[in-house]
Amino acid sequence: GQQVMQIPQYQHVQEGEDFTTYCNSSTTLSNIQWYKQRPGGHPVFLIQLVKSGEVKKQKRLTFQFGEAKKNSSLHITATQTTDVGTYFCAGRGGSEKLVFGKGMKLTVNP
Amino acid sequence: DSGVTQTPKHLITATGQRVTLRCSPRSGDLSVYWYQQSLDQGLQFLIQYYNGEERAKGNILERFSAQQFPDLHSELNLSSLELGDSALYFCASSPRTGTGSEKLFFGSGTQLSVL
Repeated sequence: GQQVMQIPQYQHVQEGEDFTTYCNSSTTLSNIQWYKQRPGGHPVFLIQLVKSGEVKKQKRLTFQFGEAKKNSSLHITATQTTDVGTYFCAGRGGSEKLVFGKGMKLTVNP
Repeated sequence: DSGVTQTPKHLITATGQRVTLRCSPRSGDLSVYWYQQSLDQGLQFLIQYYNGEERAKGNILERFSAQQFPDLHSELNLSSLELGDSALYFCASSPRTGTGSEKLFFGSGTQLSVL
């Protein structure tokens, strides 16, 4: 079945650093979504990418959908303590199921 | 506040027991999804309902069942509970079937502890 893998699973950065996390699907996706879950909270929708090669920005966050629509990346610039949480990518292949990756847990050293 | 309501917030029970988790979707949303979140296991898709009918099934155990009622609220029934069923169970809703580009709105979850 469809699988979505995220790397790395854990990321610890110094406040102010940049970093990138990746999401890879075993199948071609119709679209990919990113969610953020703060510690003790629930996942909250961040963004959706639909087109091949699409790039979207939200303040310090840049999201990209791969040309083959099988992978995506999230780049955070100048990480802040408010960025702490777990970031999930989720993709739909040929079915209605929205399959989530295991998430990337971000911790920030102030 | 996402508008999705889940009850109870916490549930502690014993092995072998049966519990029911309840979810009220956002007003107007027709689709309800159930996800299980265990430590380091991400969000495992269990099942999806649309307007009362099952639309997609994931890794849901035979001991688990769900339904969506005419008023669109949904219940997830977990029976013959095992220690490994301890997890955070999320409900999410979306306006339509979820075949397109709809985003999900998650509830706050029910933390199930099986002792």
